[in-house]
Amino acid sequence: ELKVEQNPLFLSMQEGKNYTIYCNYSTTSDRLYWYRQDPGKSLESLFVLLSNGAVKQEGRLMASLDTKARLSTLHITAAVHDLSATYFCAVSSGGGADGLTFGKGTHLIIQP
Amino acid sequence: DAGVIQSPRHEVTEMGQEVTLRCKPISGHDYLFWYRQTMMRGLELLIYFNNNVPIDDSGMPEDRFSAKMPNASFSTLKIQPSEPRDSAVYFCASSSWGRYEQYFGPGTRLTVT
Repeated sequence: ELKVEQNPLFLSMQEGKNYTIYCNYSTTSDRLYWYRQDPGKSLESLFVLLSNGAVKQEGRLMASLDTKARLSTLHITAAVHDLSATYFCAVSSGGGADGLTFGKGTHLIIQP
Repeated sequence: DAGVIQSPRHEVTEMGQEVTLRCKPISGHDYLFWYRQTMMRGLELLIYFNNNVPIDDSGMPEDRFSAKMPNASFSTLKIQPSEPRDSAVYFCASSSWGRYEQYFGPGTRLTVT
């Protein structure tokens, strides 16, 4: 059974600081996804990582994937209040397109 | 593109009643997924379809749950009879082969009293 663990589950930080969210998964995976969810809203796709060593960046967010360690990281640089949200990582273990197994999410609060 | 469309956005029903949730995927997408989100269990995959055919329904919790996709632009998730523990947000998502990214709809918040 594929398991996805995120840590931390809750993070409160100040604006301007850097921090990293970690995502570990239990079995070989083809793809690693990062999503953002604001309270009461749907999931917004941030990144899809497809291969070992993949790195993607969008604004203050950067995601990386190490398939050998079964680890992905989401790094936040110089955090701003607008990045406050819950961040989920998810893993797909099949070929083609198939269902995702999600982590429990990291609830991120960025204080001015 | 309008994105994934779900209806209703909110549903309140009494225990024992039948509930039908609806989803219209993004045009041209050939994969459709149903997920459920609760505080206790997080986000769970219920079932997914490829070209209107159910591929994996191992996440469907019980026989009370059923899903159909009669054509490429419409899917339903039915709960009969509903129970209070079915209260959750139900998301529909779609994707296309080779693109991998899954686009989520706004969700249906279901409350069973």
